[in-house]
Amino acid sequence: QSVLTQPPSVSGAPGQRVTISCTGSSSNIGAGYDVHWYQQLPGTAPKLLICDNNNRPSGVPDRFSGSKSGSSASLAITGLQAEDEADYYCQSYDSSHVVFGGGTKLTVL
Amino acid sequence: QLQLQESGPGLVKPSETLSLTCTVSGGSISSGSYFWGWIRQPPGKGLDYIGSIYYSGTTYYNPSLKSRVSISVDTSKNQFSLRLTSVTAADTASYYCARRDLVGGDYFDYWGQGALVTVSS
Repeated sequence: QSVLTQPPSVSGAPGQRVTISCTGSSSNIGAGYDVHWYQQLPGTAPKLLICDNNNRPSGVPDRFSGSKSGSSASLAITGLQAEDEADYYCQSYDSSHVVFGGGTKLTVL
Repeated sequence: QLQLQESGPGLVKPSETLSLTCTVSGGSISSGSYFWGWIRQPPGKGLDYIGSIYYSGTTYYNPSLKSRVSISVDTSKNQFSLRLTSVTAADTASYYCARRDLVGGDYFDYWGQGALVTVSS
């Protein structure tokens, strides 16, 4: 049971916009800690997708964006593509240690 | 380009000790801006943070694993290592090493490809 709650799955058709939520509490996201997002394609290692709530590392398409408000954060993907089908994880900090969300499987219909 | 590579036995017996090493290339493990961490992922499940180490030897561990985990660093070899004692089937997972960037907001920006470790007799 993760302290950061994500929906187990989301889906969307190619070209659509989807969002993935990451809900925390006053001891993690609500305490002001940054949220980061990772994309894990099938059979591969996680890859940093969004850092510091809303910054894209070099090479990440601008179709991916992040936001944070209060004790929650969101990852938005616009112009959905088949290659975006993957697991997505949020990560933050809680009670002096790193925590991950439980992960969300994105299916492109 | 920084690269990380995990190595170690793929099969460990119950009650024994799991040992993995991460070799860093394309950069120095002694860089002052980073910690070096271990994250694991049981088959079909999510990511679980294990712990991190600074080149000086300072360590931080997930409280849920702290009693069984030890992370060490060898700067001369540009490597850091994980030891997990008294393993059970629940420790079967892919184990990833990663660089933890503290200059930004504390995230993992480079990852190894992962090493699957199975605990079974």
